[in-house]
Amino acid sequence: VQVVQSGGGVVQPGESLRLSCVASGFSFSDYGMHWVRQAPGKGLEWVSFIRFDGTPKYFPNSVKGRFTVSRDNSKNTLFLQIDSLRPEDTALYYCAKAFGGNSEAYDAFEVWGQGTMVTVSS
Amino acid sequence: QSVLSQPPSASGTPGQTVTISCSGNSSNIGSNFVYWYQQFPGKAPKLLIYRNDRRPSGVPDRFSGSKSGTSASLAISGLRSDDEADYFCAAWDDSLSGRWVFGGGAKLTVL
Repeated sequence: VQVVQSGGGVVQPGESLRLSCVASGFSFSDYGMHWVRQAPGKGLEWVSFIRFDGTPKYFPNSVKGRFTVSRDNSKNTLFLQIDSLRPEDTALYYCAKAFGGNSEAYDAFEVWGQGTMVTVSS
Repeated sequence: QSVLSQPPSASGTPGQTVTISCSGNSSNIGSNFVYWYQQFPGKAPKLLIYRNDRRPSGVPDRFSGSKSGTSASLAISGLRSDDEADYFCAAWDDSLSGRWVFGGGAKLTVL
C-alpha cells in the first residue's frame, strides 16, 4: 500500500498549481483521502478530505474557494488544485489514505505520501 | 501553535523506556481517538498507534499507546538507536465543524 506524490514547485503569488497523488496496493475507489500541509517551522495543518465518492471537505477557511480536491478513481489518482496561491501557502503538502472503506473526514491517516513542496515567492 | 501539546524533545539510552505525552481538551482527545505517527527526516509519516492503543500489523510491541481524559501517551520500551525520529499525535476535533488537529511533534534522541 502506498501513495506517491508529484507536482509542487516554486510559483509566484497569484499563480496556480496542481498536486497529484497516485495510489497503489489498495482499492482506491473505496477509500477517502486527505491532504495535510506543513509550513516551514510550523506544525501540521489538515487541509482537505475527499470521500470515496468525490464529496469534498475543506479546512481552514483560508483555503476555501482557492483549493479544489478531486479524484479520478479510474486512474487511482487524487488531485489538489491550488489557485490564487499566497506566500502563506508555502508548505510541504502530504496526501494520505484514510482508514477504513467508505471513510469519512474523521477517519484518520493510515498511509502517507512522501510529501511535495510548494513554495510561493515573488 | 499546535492544538495538541507535546514536549519538543525526549531522550533515552538504549534499552530504556521513553514516554511522550500529548495533551488536548474535551473537544479532541477527550472525545475522540488518538493516533501516533513516527517520522524520519525527509520521509513520510508512519502510523504507529491507532484508536488510542492499537498497533497496526508490523509495528513492534515495544510501541504502546494509552489515553486518559484529555491526555494521551506513547511509550517506547527497549529503546533502540533506530527509534530516533520525530513522533507526533493526532486527533479529530469536534469544534469548528470538525477538523483534524496535531501535536507539534517530539524529537526523540537515543543517547
